[in-house]
Amino acid sequence: KQEVTQIPAALSVPEGENLVLNCSFTDSAIYNLQWFRQDPGKGLTSLLLIQSSQREQTSGRLNASLDKSSGRSTLYIAASQPGDSATYLCALGASTLTFGKGTMLLVSP
Amino acid sequence: SAVISQKPSRDICQRGTSLTIQCQVDSQVTMMFWYRQQPGQSLTLIATANQGSEATYESGFVIDKFPISRPNLTFSTLTVSNMSPEDSSIYLCSVEADRGAFFGQGTRLTVV
Repeated sequence: KQEVTQIPAALSVPEGENLVLNCSFTDSAIYNLQWFRQDPGKGLTSLLLIQSSQREQTSGRLNASLDKSSGRSTLYIAASQPGDSATYLCALGASTLTFGKGTMLLVSP
Repeated sequence: SAVISQKPSRDICQRGTSLTIQCQVDSQVTMMFWYRQQPGQSLTLIATANQGSEATYESGFVIDKFPISRPNLTFSTLTVSNMSPEDSSIYLCSVEADRGAFFGQGTRLTVV
């Protein structure tokens, strides 16, 4: 059974810092890895999808990498802004997803 | 991508009653998925809904408690039956598209 762990559980940084969120998983035979953002009490917004044959994806200030051999993915956020404050979730799977518990990020002005 | 409209966005319900959550997708999809997010927890898959067949439920979830309808390729409903305070959660529907999974805005349910 796939298990997904996200570290740290919470992170507080001043505006402008570059930061890294970590996601580890137990089963390297994955299909896709997807990063989401969730604002309090809301649904999920897809940020980046890394297919199993890929190693990284970039969108604006976000870069996600995937290392299946070590069972890890990282989400890099450059030049963080207060609007980046949210919970970030990683999830693995094809049609159905297994989620980590998320990293709650607070970026202070 | 896919645009998913989910309603209601939130509700406060009395214990013992039922609530039906609707999910509308802007394109035809084979499978739709229902997840639950309990307070402070991550998402857990409740069931997969295929059009024209019975939904497939994950371990710990049963049809009597969470009946699902899938009348066509763009719409699904999830009913939370005979509610108790333990059912207070965010319920989300999801579909798979070319660029990964996409989610509705969620239904925040509080049972009192």
